Amino acid sequence: KAGVTQTPRYLIKTRGQQVTLSCSPISGHRSVSWYQQTPGQGLQFLFEYFSETQRNKGNFPGRFSGRQFSNSRSEMNVSTLELGDSALYLCASSPGLIPLYEQYFGPGTRLTVT
Amino acid sequence: AQTVTQSQPEMSVQEAETVTLSCTYDTSESNYYLFWYKQPPSRQMILVIRQEAYKQQNATENRFSVNFQKAAKSFSLKISDSQLGDTAMYFCAFINTGANSKLTFGKGITLSVRP
Repeated sequence: KAGVTQTPRYLIKTRGQQVTLSCSPISGHRSVSWYQQTPGQGLQFLFEYFSETQRNKGNFPGRFSGRQFSNSRSEMNVSTLELGDSALYLCASSPGLIPLYEQYFGPGTRLTVT
Repeated sequence: AQTVTQSQPEMSVQEAETVTLSCTYDTSESNYYLFWYKQPPSRQMILVIRQEAYKQQNATENRFSVNFQKAAKSFSLKISDSQLGDTAMYFCAFINTGANSKLTFGKGITLSVRP
């Protein structure tokens, strides 16, 4: 079974721009979660989607948003990029319905904001 | 709010030796899961082991085992027969089983296995 895939793997953007990251979960998984990883703050939860609905949300500003499609693929968008948004963005999927609570992570997207 | 604390930022161990990574957590929940994740330099986060809070028996996965002390809210990971491929960052993580459950990570510990 293919693992979680994320595209693109690397991205360089300029302050003020917006960016969209994509995540394809493991086949059959209906829950997708997003995390931001930085050296200073560690791993922080952004949001979780299940069956196209945001089920849970972390403490991030409204510039961070996401969505999930009917095939469970998910995208996250960051608008008006700031230097502090430079991070590794990780996506994780899990079965979700009767939660095993195990999350399987993708390789991440490394976003650099200049 | 749940918190996960990994107080040791770095550890080093000789190949073939045993090492224990510490983790404590704080929660008012009674039902939850605990995990150890490994993140090698390649950055792919990998699930190492999980423990259900309602189970008294400590989880074991090959060379990896945990010491789960629910009353003390402690969840340490023991790696036996350390291998060079165990070199990675290790994250302890917690998730409650109630509504709005989300995975909360510790800051991580960098483990280096010396040849």
